[in-house]
Amino acid sequence: GAVVSQHPSRVICKSGTSVKIECRSLDFQATTMFWYRQFPKQSLMLMATSNEGSKATYEQGVEKDKFLINHASLTLSTLTVTSAHPEDSSFYICSASTRKAQETQYFGPGTRLLVL
Amino acid sequence: TQLLEQSPQFLSIQEGENLTVYCNSSSVFSSLQWYRQEPGEGPVLLVTVVTGGEVKKLKRLTFQFGDARKDSSLHITAAQPGDTGLYLCAGARSGYSTLTFGKGTMLLVSP
Repeated sequence: GAVVSQHPSRVICKSGTSVKIECRSLDFQATTMFWYRQFPKQSLMLMATSNEGSKATYEQGVEKDKFLINHASLTLSTLTVTSAHPEDSSFYICSASTRKAQETQYFGPGTRLLVL
Repeated sequence: TQLLEQSPQFLSIQEGENLTVYCNSSSVFSSLQWYRQEPGEGPVLLVTVVTGGEVKKLKRLTFQFGDARKDSSLHITAAQPGDTGLYLCAGARSGYSTLTFGKGTMLLVSP
């Protein structure tokens, strides 16, 4: 149980285009989903927290107009990187938690984004 | 200031050796999770410790939560190459929906 999927697993795009990453909880309802960014050999950096049906809460320094987050249902959240630039290249990971076990997060497999 | 100090940051050992990874904080956590992450994949939850002084074992891995719930350790006995990966500790605090992550420990176990 507690499986989280992400799609796509890898994406290469041209500078200036937008990229959408999906995060799905496959066998549970995720009341809260989180989006992280990770640089090589480093820990996770929280970008934003989203609750189903409400606006995402962004961490300091994360541009909300650049990284659009939608959490339309209890099993799906999306992260759209708008007008991507090479510096946006990174490993993006989502996680999900339930109302019953809010302190435990289950992570997706991550999405490798490369912006040329 | 890093809220959750994790050490060591890097560890390279031979198969069969023992090792301990530490996570320390001046803050009290309601629970603490340990994750292992392999390159190109998401972190996988290993264990959650909730009670001060709690000890949990997962095969050759032993996790301990400090009595004051401010620190935790992960001990691996007779490490194997399959243990190679990035180990992350993450603390949850009451009133916060987010986790506080340590910087991670990159473990390399050579045959």
